[in-house]
Amino acid sequence: GQQLNQSPQSMFIQEGEDVSMNCTSSSIFNTWLWYKQDPGEGPVLLIALYKAGELTSNGRLTAQFGITRKDSFLNISASIPSDVGIYFCAGRRYGGSQGNLIFGKGTKLSVKP
Amino acid sequence: DGGITQSPKYLFRKEGQNVTLSCEQNLNHDAMYWYRQDPGQGLRLIYYSQIVNDFQKGDIAEGYSVSREKKESFPLTVTSAQKNPTAFYLCASSLTGQTNTGELFFGEGSRLTVL
Repeated sequence: GQQLNQSPQSMFIQEGEDVSMNCTSSSIFNTWLWYKQDPGEGPVLLIALYKAGELTSNGRLTAQFGITRKDSFLNISASIPSDVGIYFCAGRRYGGSQGNLIFGKGTKLSVKP
Repeated sequence: DGGITQSPKYLFRKEGQNVTLSCEQNLNHDAMYWYRQDPGQGLRLIYYSQIVNDFQKGDIAEGYSVSREKKESFPLTVTSAQKNPTAFYLCASSLTGQTNTGELFFGEGSRLTVL
């Protein structure tokens, strides 16, 4: 099945730094979701985006639905140790079936105190 | 508390054995899903079900089977036909129809290791 191109694959940053990651696709999406997964746990939804150009914040997290509808980015400001984990983007195409939520391969974030 | 419960958290299996992973939700969601996660990979869809007594194959259904006899429950059986079953398995659920926001809610996962 198709997967989104998520980058970077991993990041190792200093506490307090800002983080940026993105997902791109060759297909147009009508929904973008960003999840965080802690080790050994299931992903937890961080931000959901439903409209091209939409910019949504959740605390130190900000995500945007690209105006081309083919990409999305997630920013984390002033990172802290508990931000460690794997961040996944997920998108659903226009006309996509219920099972047609496509996931990126994830960005693994490590934060150095 | 509402949520999705997967069990067991860890499971060891000998080659040639079938195992069944449990997934129960009390969110009153119509749709349920099973994903497989391997290191460095995204989530790959195994099966999904939008309504009781109906389910569809995902991208990697071979070697797996499911049932949906109750709205709350969507067990996954990993059969001996699955060539490489060692993985982390995630169950999820969502609303459907007009109320569907596209959001999936995940359980905590079950880690299956084949010895």
